[in-house]
Amino acid sequence: AQSVTQLGSHVSVSEGALVLLRCNYSSSVPPYLFWYVQYPNQGLQLLLKYTSAATLVKGINGFEAEFKKSETSFHLTKPSAHMSDAAEYFCAVTGYGGSQGNLIFGKGTKLSVKP
Amino acid sequence: EAGVVQSPRYKIIEKKQPVAFWCNPISGHNTLYWYLQNLGQGPELLIRYENEEAVDDSQLPKDRFSAERLKGVDSTLKIQPAELGDSAVYLCASSLGRQQQETQYFGPGTRLLVL
Repeated sequence: AQSVTQLGSHVSVSEGALVLLRCNYSSSVPPYLFWYVQYPNQGLQLLLKYTSAATLVKGINGFEAEFKKSETSFHLTKPSAHMSDAAEYFCAVTGYGGSQGNLIFGKGTKLSVKP
Repeated sequence: EAGVVQSPRYKIIEKKQPVAFWCNPISGHNTLYWYLQNLGQGPELLIRYENEEAVDDSQLPKDRFSAERLKGVDSTLKIQPAELGDSAVYLCASSLGRQQQETQYFGPGTRLLVL
């Protein structure tokens, strides 16, 4: 079965510092992977997705993620954190077979940005 | 283009009462999803519709939950009777189709509190 694990339920960085949010996946088939962001009291917004076209994926708001098959990872990074990046971030993998298209989410990582 | 619309945004009810949530997907999106998001957790799929057909409802607690998508457009999710443990955020999402690389677009959610 597909699954994702997000290491660290809470990450705190200083403004201007590197952001690194970790995601490892488990999949018996080539995966499609997503990162979503959720601001307080809002729905989820797509940051970026991996669809096998390129291993380094660039998304919105300066975020990017690299797919590493050997490490079964899809970590999210941003070179310089901004106060507006404070939110909760979810990594997800799509199901296959009868669950094709369904998103399977990790538990999320809450990012805090200190001034 | 209008996004996914959900109403109400917030709902407070007493246990054993019925409650209903409404979702209007993005125009032209054939696939509609209902997710449950508990506090501090990632969303979990409840049911997926392809047009008006519920094609994956394996995670829907059918003793108290029901859903419908008449005419393959908007959808209603109902709980009857509600229990304390149903307090959560109910998210609706839509996509053009059910391919694994399709982006799901989320509504703002309905936050339910059962007293």
